[in-house]
Amino acid sequence: ELKVEQNPLFLSMQEGKNYTIYCNYSTTSDRLYWYRQDPGKSLESLFVLLSNGAVKQEGRLMASLDTKARLSTLHITAAVHDLSATYFCAAPSGGGADGLTFGKGTHLIIQP
Amino acid sequence: DARVTQTPRDKVTEMGQEVTMRCQPILGHNTVFWYRQTMMQGLELLAYFRNRAPLDDSGMPKDRFSAEMPDATLATLKIQPSEPRDSAVYFCASAPALYNEQFFGPGTRLTVL
Repeated sequence: ELKVEQNPLFLSMQEGKNYTIYCNYSTTSDRLYWYRQDPGKSLESLFVLLSNGAVKQEGRLMASLDTKARLSTLHITAAVHDLSATYFCAAPSGGGADGLTFGKGTHLIIQP
Repeated sequence: DARVTQTPRDKVTEMGQEVTMRCQPILGHNTVFWYRQTMMQGLELLAYFRNRAPLDDSGMPKDRFSAEMPDATLATLKIQPSEPRDSAVYFCASAPALYNEQFFGPGTRLTVL
């Protein structure tokens, strides 16, 4: 059974700082997804990483995937308050299935 | 713009009552998922369909939950009878055939008293 672990689960940081969220998964996967969720809202797709070494960037967020290490990272550069949210990584549940197994989420608070 | 829609957005019901949640996937998406989110368990996959056929419902309590897709524009998730432990936010998501990026609906917040 696939397990997806994120760390940290809670992160409070100051505006302007850089930080990285880590996502480890337990079984082989060539795809990894990152989502953002604001309080009381739905999940917004941020990145879809489809191969080993994939790197995608959008604004102050950059995601990467190392399938050999079963590790994905979400890097935040020069954080701003608007990036405060919960960030989830997810991987296909396995066996050719399309359903996703999600990590527990990283609750990110960015303080002025 | 294309979005997944879900109804109702909020539902409060009493234990033992039947609950039906509906989802309209993005037009042209052939894969539809149902997820449940709770504080304790996080996001869990309940079931999913491809081309209206159920592919996996192993995440669903079979005795009380049922999921169907009567046509390409409607997916339903039914709970009968409902129990307080079913209280959660239920999300529907849809995905196009090739890329598998899943787009989530706004969710149905279910409270069972």
